[in-house]
Amino acid sequence: DVKVTQSSRYLVKRTGEKVFLECVQDMDHENMFWYRQDPGLGLRLIYFSYDVKMKEKGDIPEGYSVSREKKERFSLILESASTNQTSMYLCASTVSGFTYEQYFGPGTRLTVT
Amino acid sequence: ILNVEQSPQSLHVQEGDSTNFTCSFPSSNFYALHWYRWETAKSPEALFVMTLNGDEKKKGRISATLNTKEGYSYLYIKGSQPEDSATYLCAFTSGTYKYIFGTGTRLKVLA
Repeated sequence: DVKVTQSSRYLVKRTGEKVFLECVQDMDHENMFWYRQDPGLGLRLIYFSYDVKMKEKGDIPEGYSVSREKKERFSLILESASTNQTSMYLCASTVSGFTYEQYFGPGTRLTVT
Repeated sequence: ILNVEQSPQSLHVQEGDSTNFTCSFPSSNFYALHWYRWETAKSPEALFVMTLNGDEKKKGRISATLNTKEGYSYLYIKGSQPEDSATYLCAFTSGTYKYIFGTGTRLKVLA
């Protein structure tokens, strides 16, 4: 059974903290994505990686960075958390090419106070 | 700016009713149209990936159609059941790395 896991389901952090969200997939997928989901908005792409150490900015990269040192792991980093980064964060992966379905993790609900 | 729109935003139906939702997307540079089901407290799961104009896909009571020339896709649920309650997302890809998601249709099936 294919699986994408995320390090935490719920996380509460303080403004200014550095926050790490981890995502691991066991399907040997080339592409990995980080999205955020906010009420009334679709899933918005933060960053995308198509290979180890490769990354591309998505639509809303400001305030975030990413790391992909191993193929199976894609980390999202909030350099200095702010209250407007309170959101649901979803990781996804897919094989190379964009007619293939994405496999999603369960999401991390982050609250920044 | 590429935009994907879904309607309605939310829907309440009685158990046994059939229902359908719409996804509108840009008709140019089309690669694929994806449908996902997202149940509360679970991960979004792929229902269909559709690539050809006129494509029709079916999985159990759920089916989807695709019109790439006019830029829309319909998702149909026949004989809705409470377990069909979920948010249904569509996403459009145009050959870049981006999956452009709609805001979803939230379906509640009342027993």
